[in-house]
Amino acid sequence: DIQMTQSPSSLSASVGDRVTITCRASQDISKWLAWYQQKPERAPKCLIYAASNLQGGVPSRFSGSGSGTDFTLTISSLQPEDFATYYCQQYNSYPRTFGQGTKVEIK
Amino acid sequence: EVQLVESGGGLVKPGGSLRLSCAASGFTFSVCHMNWVRQAPGKGLEWVSSVRGTNSDTYYADSVQGRFTIARDNAQNTLYLQMNSLRVEDTAVYYCVRDASGPDLWGQGTLVIVSS
Repeated sequence: DIQMTQSPSSLSASVGDRVTITCRASQDISKWLAWYQQKPERAPKCLIYAASNLQGGVPSRFSGSGSGTDFTLTISSLQPEDFATYYCQQYNSYPRTFGQGTKVEIK
Repeated sequence: EVQLVESGGGLVKPGGSLRLSCAASGFTFSVCHMNWVRQAPGKGLEWVSSVRGTNSDTYYADSVQGRFTIARDNAQNTLYLQMNSLRVEDTAVYYCVRDASGPDLWGQGTLVIVSS
């Protein structure tokens, strides 16, 4: 199985900060990585697919990069509504696996 | 409206069975790869099962293999998850997820509680 390791597991940041979350796959997954945002008691929302493609309606302050084993989600200027938990998921092969999540909290 | 609506969750005793449904609307369901993902209370996301749109090949997590069965009815635009021999550790919110632009559309989830 492909292991997905996210870091950090949590972070504190202020509105306006640039935030970077990384996800590392235990083997090559090409570009087949998605990033999700989840707020409490809500379903996850897909932000990025195929490593760097923004889903429709997602603000342009979100961006994704990487390929192979190393991937990054960047929020260029953190907004109040961005405080949430973020997950990566590989969909290159089965079983599809998720990172453990990164909780972004208000500093 | 493009949406997925899950139903069928509830309280069941260990060893019991439950069938979840996911009604799809607003898109061409038959061509879409579909998935079930779950989230135990206070925990992260866990992929459970997938079914292809083209040939209905199925895939399962080791934790549910042999106990859960994924199925689809393309005429009714509905995805199912038959869950047998349920365990306490199957307690979770179960989400139906569409693959189109990646795993891009999630339902609101349905809660399954396995408890005596």
